[in-house]
Amino acid sequence: DGGITQSPKYLFRKEGQNVTLSCEQNLNHDAMYWYRQDPGQGLRLIYYSQIVNDFQKGDIAEGYSVSREKKESFPLTVTSAQKNPTAFYLCASSIAVREYGYTFGSGTRLTVV
Amino acid sequence: GENVEQHPSTLSVQEGDSAVIKCTYSDSASNYFPWYKQELGKGPQLIIDIRSNVGEKKDQRIAVTLNKTAKHFSLHITETQPEDSAVYFCAATGNQFYFGTGTSLTVIP
Repeated sequence: DGGITQSPKYLFRKEGQNVTLSCEQNLNHDAMYWYRQDPGQGLRLIYYSQIVNDFQKGDIAEGYSVSREKKESFPLTVTSAQKNPTAFYLCASSIAVREYGYTFGSGTRLTVV
Repeated sequence: GENVEQHPSTLSVQEGDSAVIKCTYSDSASNYFPWYKQELGKGPQLIIDIRSNVGEKKDQRIAVTLNKTAKHFSLHITETQPEDSAVYFCAATGNQFYFGTGTSLTVIP
């Protein structure tokens, strides 16, 4: 079945550490996205990529980094510069950036300990 | 940039009643309006969408209406069931997608 896979489902990070969240899709979608969701809040865009080797900052990119070396993969690194990283992280993909719905992964819950 | 407002933030209905969630947007260039359902601990799932050349779209118990002149669109769920309980997000396209802040729907058996 085609879909989008995020791993791990739960992740714990010590303060000062970088961590990388994985996102893989087999839908042949060109566009991929990372969103952050805090309790009781909506979705805030971190980064998005329209095509391999290209990505753009979203509304809250500070303290995060991404890469898009393969069409299928769009990993997100939460760096130690991110002051409040505890959140639910969602990866999504779509055929293209505009006018197409997203397919979301099941999310990664990151907790700083 | 785009700004999408969503109301209400919480909604409780009796099983079998209808539920309506409304969104407004600001960018007149927006032309694609999807709705997502998010169950607890999961990623959102696309449930219905509408494009700017259509005023209404139905899929079984759910429907979406769009008023481009007024820049608002609505999700209608009829004959609600307990499994409809979830958070619903609207969205509109600008340069990229902009999401509403979500509506937590509770269907009371």
